[in-house]
Amino acid sequence: EAGVAQSPRYKIIEKRQSVAFWCNPISGHATLYWYQQILGQGPKLLIQFQNNGVVDDSQLPKDRFSAERLKGVDSTLKIQPAKLEDSAVYLCASTPRLFFGYNSPLHFGNGTRLTVT
Amino acid sequence: AQTVTQSQPEMSVQEAETVTLSCTYDTSESDYYLFWYKQPPSRQMILVIRQEAYKQQNATENRFSVNFQKAAKSFSLKISDSQLGDAAMYFCAYRSAEGKGGNEKLTFGTGTRLTIIP
Repeated sequence: EAGVAQSPRYKIIEKRQSVAFWCNPISGHATLYWYQQILGQGPKLLIQFQNNGVVDDSQLPKDRFSAERLKGVDSTLKIQPAKLEDSAVYLCASTPRLFFGYNSPLHFGNGTRLTVT
Repeated sequence: AQTVTQSQPEMSVQEAETVTLSCTYDTSESDYYLFWYKQPPSRQMILVIRQEAYKQQNATENRFSVNFQKAAKSFSLKISDSQLGDAAMYFCAYRSAEGKGGNEKLTFGTGTRLTIIP
């Protein structure tokens, strides 16, 4: 089966510019996650979708970050305006079950590395 | 809130030798899952091994095994017969098993960079 697809692979922008990341989960996966991984740290959950509804966005900086998952398939994550501290790898993951369980591990994409200058 | 601590930022091991990566966690829950993920330079997080807290038997996956000490809240990863392809960042992660809806997120440690010496 095809894996989780993310694009672009790399992005360099100046602060105060906007940027968008795209994620296509594995076909049929109901749950989709966006994680932020700052250099030297473990990934931190930004937002979790179940189909096209938001389950958890408690750690999403909503003043500048937004995300949507149209028709319960592809998802986009947007940052507007970007700050220097947003430099990180943005990972998308999906899981086939409505609730991620022991036998339903997360499948991760290769991430997008964002550099804000 | 749960926290996961990996106290070894970097580790190195001779090829074919055995190495152990440490992980401790803090939780007030009794039922949870623990995971080790590998992140090579490709950046993709790859599941290495997982453990259910209520299972006393330590999980094993080929050359990878864990030492799960629930009372001590310790979850170490042992890699036997280390290979060059094992070089990567290794992350320990925690997931609650209590309740549903919003509890599915993984809480990660800061990672350990493993270098394999030929």
